[in-house]
Amino acid sequence: QVQLQQSGPGLVKPSQTLSLTCAISGDSVSSNSAAWNWIRQSPSRGLEWLGRTYYRSKWYTYYALSVKSRITINADTSKNQFSLQLNSVTPEDTAVYYCARGPSALNPWGQGTLVTVSS
Amino acid sequence: QSVLTQPPSASGTPGQRVIISCSGSSSNIGRDTVNWYQQLPGTAPKLLIYSNNQRPSGVPDRFSGSKAGTSASLAISGLQSEDEADYYCAAWDGSLNGWVFGGGTKLTVL
Repeated sequence: QVQLQQSGPGLVKPSQTLSLTCAISGDSVSSNSAAWNWIRQSPSRGLEWLGRTYYRSKWYTYYALSVKSRITINADTSKNQFSLQLNSVTPEDTAVYYCARGPSALNPWGQGTLVTVSS
Repeated sequence: QSVLTQPPSASGTPGQRVIISCSGSSSNIGRDTVNWYQQLPGTAPKLLIYSNNQRPSGVPDRFSGSKAGTSASLAISGLQSEDEADYYCAAWDGSLNGWVFGGGTKLTVL
């Protein structure tokens, strides 16, 4: 079955860049039937979808309006993984970040990474 | 403020039936299917119901979903202590072009 394994630092300083990676097993990041998502969860904002990327003869990437100016989601076919970069972070970006496979339902999810933005 | 509206809490005794509601709009629930997720403490959300009323393999048939118009509901029958968790509804929003979620319902088994 498909499994997602997240990695990345749990502490980021304000104004710096948050970077996380989601390694895929049991599927291909360039699958024509999958979409690869990032979601975060915090007490103040609940579950918030951040964006997704998928391959349908070419790569498509879409971002939530709330983070569109600061976010980049990339796929790495050589490592069968996808990544999240969020620039210029503030304490409001403190959350548990999840990757998840779509497209019609988010399943499965990665284990989650608590990212704290603090100096 | 979440796009989809759920009651913050629900409760029941073992064996009872509990229903959790989820209200949206014409741009999300009204135009697309609803998924439900169960989140046990300290773990990632897990898909419980997809396409309004379909159960992934391994999900007991005590869990069922339905949708009517711009609202959906999750029913849990034969409540068990291990059902104590947070439950979230989700749908694709065509106006926002992204997934939207409910604020979550914390289910307590008394």
